[in-house]
Amino acid sequence: EAGVAQSPRYKIIEKRQSVAFWCNPISGHATLYWYQQILGQGPKLLIQFQNNGVVDDSQLPKDRFSAERLKGVDSTLKIQPAKLEDSAVYLCASSLRSTMNTEAFFGQGTRLTVV
Amino acid sequence: AQTVTQSQPEMSVQEAETVTLSCTYDTSESDYYLFWYKQPPSRQMILVIRQEAYKQQNATENRFSVNFQKAAKSFSLKISDSQLGDAAMYFCAYRLYSLISNFGNEKLTFGTGTRLTIIP
Repeated sequence: EAGVAQSPRYKIIEKRQSVAFWCNPISGHATLYWYQQILGQGPKLLIQFQNNGVVDDSQLPKDRFSAERLKGVDSTLKIQPAKLEDSAVYLCASSLRSTMNTEAFFGQGTRLTVV
Repeated sequence: AQTVTQSQPEMSVQEAETVTLSCTYDTSESDYYLFWYKQPPSRQMILVIRQEAYKQQNATENRFSVNFQKAAKSFSLKISDSQLGDAAMYFCAYRLYSLISNFGNEKLTFGTGTRLTIIP
């Protein structure tokens, strides 16, 4: 079974530039998450999708961050314009849509450096 | 709001020895899951072990076991016979549980992690 795929693995941009990250979840997984992991901290949820609908985006800085999940499969997370404090690892995860299933599978993340 | 606290930023253990990583959490809910995730340098979060709060028996997975103290809101991870491959960041995480599908209950709340070093 293929895992959660993310690209790119690394990205360096200047502040005020824009950047986009891509995630392909495990086939059949209806729930998709984007987490932000700042150095020295645990991951923090940015946004959760159920199929192509947003379930929770309460922690997403909507003035600069946006995310979409067209057709309920792949997802893209965008930052525009980027700030220095956006430097972090962005993790994508997916899970089956079931209250009895408790495991989220994570991708390898994208390490973003804003200079 | 739920919070997860890991008070040990770093731990080290001799190869083949046993080490215990600590985690405490705060919640007003009675039904939830607790997890330990491992994050190696590859950055991929890997599930190590899971505990359902309604189960009194502590979960075990091969060399990994937990000590779940619900009243004390404590959830420690014990790694026996430590191996070089166990070196990684370890994160404790919390998730709500509900029999009824409730979108938004599924997010994980993580602690700040413990870096585990294995000494050959």
